Amino acid sequence: GQNIDQPTEMTATEGAIVQINCTYQTSGFNGLFWYQQHAGEAPTFLSYNVLDGLEEKGRFSSFLSRSKGYSYLLLKELQMKDSASYLCAVRDGTGGFKTIFGAGTRLFVKA
Amino acid sequence: DGGITQSPKYLFRKEGQNVTLSCEQNLNHDAMYWYRQDPGQGLRLIYYSQIVNDFQKGDIAEGYSVSREKKESFPLTVTSAQKNPTAFYLCASSIGGKTEAFFGQGTRLTVV
Repeated sequence: GQNIDQPTEMTATEGAIVQINCTYQTSGFNGLFWYQQHAGEAPTFLSYNVLDGLEEKGRFSSFLSRSKGYSYLLLKELQMKDSASYLCAVRDGTGGFKTIFGAGTRLFVKA
Repeated sequence: DGGITQSPKYLFRKEGQNVTLSCEQNLNHDAMYWYRQDPGQGLRLIYYSQIVNDFQKGDIAEGYSVSREKKESFPLTVTSAQKNPTAFYLCASSIGGKTEAFFGQGTRLTVV
């Protein structure tokens, strides 16, 4: 079967660092995406990992371990505007463009 | 400006009626997708299309239908066979299978 697991909610303090984990079991693997979604809005792309290792992009970094079926999104210097849901998504490797999303992690940033 | 447009933003329909949600993109993307999102949940794939005149069922295709007659357009019809159609519907497109998806602003469908 296909499954993507993320924590349901997390709370962190403004200026701190938070790590959001994602584990996946899919029938194939063709890349892992992280998206940010504010309430009632469309998701926006944050990062893409297809090889093992860390990808850094400003305050956001994403890590992938394919052998462990594991990824995390690291947010540094948290700001209030980072309060949102963070969606982990895996594109399967069965030859198509099918992408499976996790349920998302709601992050609350407090002052 | 290039982008992906969904219309309308809010839609109300009576139970038993079919309704079609519009999705148009001018990004020249080959792939297009329809997702459904229920409160507090992630996105579930309804249908996707990798190229014009071809589409594949996602995980929850029952009660929905799509067409892909033009590269720019991927309309979704919610039929009366869909048991619980009230949801937030998101359309997305991507260049190919290994690139990120760009999402429209969504259509919130309420069936009464």
